[in-house]
Order: sequence, then C-alpha cells, then structure tokens
Amino acid sequence: SQTIHQWPATLVQPVGSPLSLECTVEGTSNPNLYWYRQAAGRGLQLLFYSVGIGQISSEVPQNLSASRPQDRQFILSSKKLLLSDSGFYLCAWSVPLPGDRTDTQYFGPGTRLTVL
Amino acid sequence: ELKVEQNPLFLSMQEGKNYTIYCNYSTTSDRLYWYRQDPGKSLESLFVLLSNGAVKQEGRLMASLDTKARLSTLHITAAVHDLSATYFCAPGRLETSGSRLTFGEGTQLTVNP
Repeated sequence: SQTIHQWPATLVQPVGSPLSLECTVEGTSNPNLYWYRQAAGRGLQLLFYSVGIGQISSEVPQNLSASRPQDRQFILSSKKLLLSDSGFYLCAWSVPLPGDRTDTQYFGPGTRLTVL
Repeated sequence: ELKVEQNPLFLSMQEGKNYTIYCNYSTTSDRLYWYRQDPGKSLESLFVLLSNGAVKQEGRLMASLDTKARLSTLHITAAVHDLSATYFCAPGRLETSGSRLTFGEGTQLTVNP
C-alpha cells in the first residue's frame, strides 16, 4: 500500500531564515506530487505540482520554490521566510491511471510552520 | 478562475438531526471531491463524483453532483458526534498534468450530544 511522509511535523523559524520541507511517497511509481498551504481556518491553496523528476509547475508567485530530485521525493524551499509564510503545508500524491478518471489526491500528515 | 463557495461555513447541529452542506462553483469542472479534516490533522478523501447526477454514500454521509447547476451537496443523516470535523469540497479538472483542484473554504461541523 502507498504511504506518504512529511517532515518535520512542526517547525518554528525566524523571519529571514531558510526553509526546507520534505515529502516522500512509498509504494507507488511516477506519482503526481502537489504542495498545498493552508492558512489557519481556511481552505487549501495549491502552491506547486509536479508530474515527474525535475518538472515543477508553480501556481502562485511567491518566495517559495519546489524541487523534485527523485521520483518519489518533493521538496519545498525558501531562501528567506516571511511572516506570511506561516501555515500548514500539505503534500499530496495521485496516480492517474488510463481509463480511470478518479485521480484522487491523497494527503500527507502535514508540516505546521510558524514564522516569528 | 474557478471560484468555490461552501455554505454554511459553520454548522452546529444536534445528534440525530439531518443537514446539508452546499458547494457551488463558478466554472465547468469534470469532477468534484469531498474531503474531511479533523482538527490539526491532514485531509481524508471521502468521495469523488465524476458525472452529472452522481451520488455516493458512505455511512451517514451522502454526496451528489449537479454539473449543470455547478452544485454539489453533502447530506448528513442522523448526525453523530464522530462526524464533527471540517468538510471541504474541491471541484477539479483532469489535465495532462493531473487533476487540478480548487478547494472551498470548508464547513466546520460540530455535532452536539
């Protein structure tokens, strides 16, 4: 069965510091991978998605970046954090199958980031 | 740009009662997902609706989709405390890069004894 891991689970960082969040998926190959951010009490905002190694699409211009160095690894980074970067960061995966229109996205446990 | 509106945003109901959560979206989508989120936790997939008139049921929850009205509903039957959570709808489109979802703001449901 497939599992998705994120770390760290919780992070407190000062403004201006760098960021690296990691997401890995097990039990599947060539997944689509997604990074979302959820502000407190709000819905999810898609930040980045990737359909393969080195292929990153950005949804929202910001000071964040994403990379996919391996098939099942997705990294979210920042060189300098802003206060507005605080939130709950969720990684998700899906595997679109031929003839199956479901393509459900499955979410990881998330990283709660507080920027002070 | 696809806009998604859920209502109500907050719902407090008694155990045993029925209620419906509504999800309206602004442009054509070819699928719609419902997710559940417990406080401080991640999202759990509940339903995926792929066609007009689709209806899915799991326990006390039933979801339906009307693509012509751009409306999905999540009906709760005889609510129990365990259903307390935030529920999100997310219409989407399947593209070559996978499904692109737009999430609503969520409906925070509290079921009181």
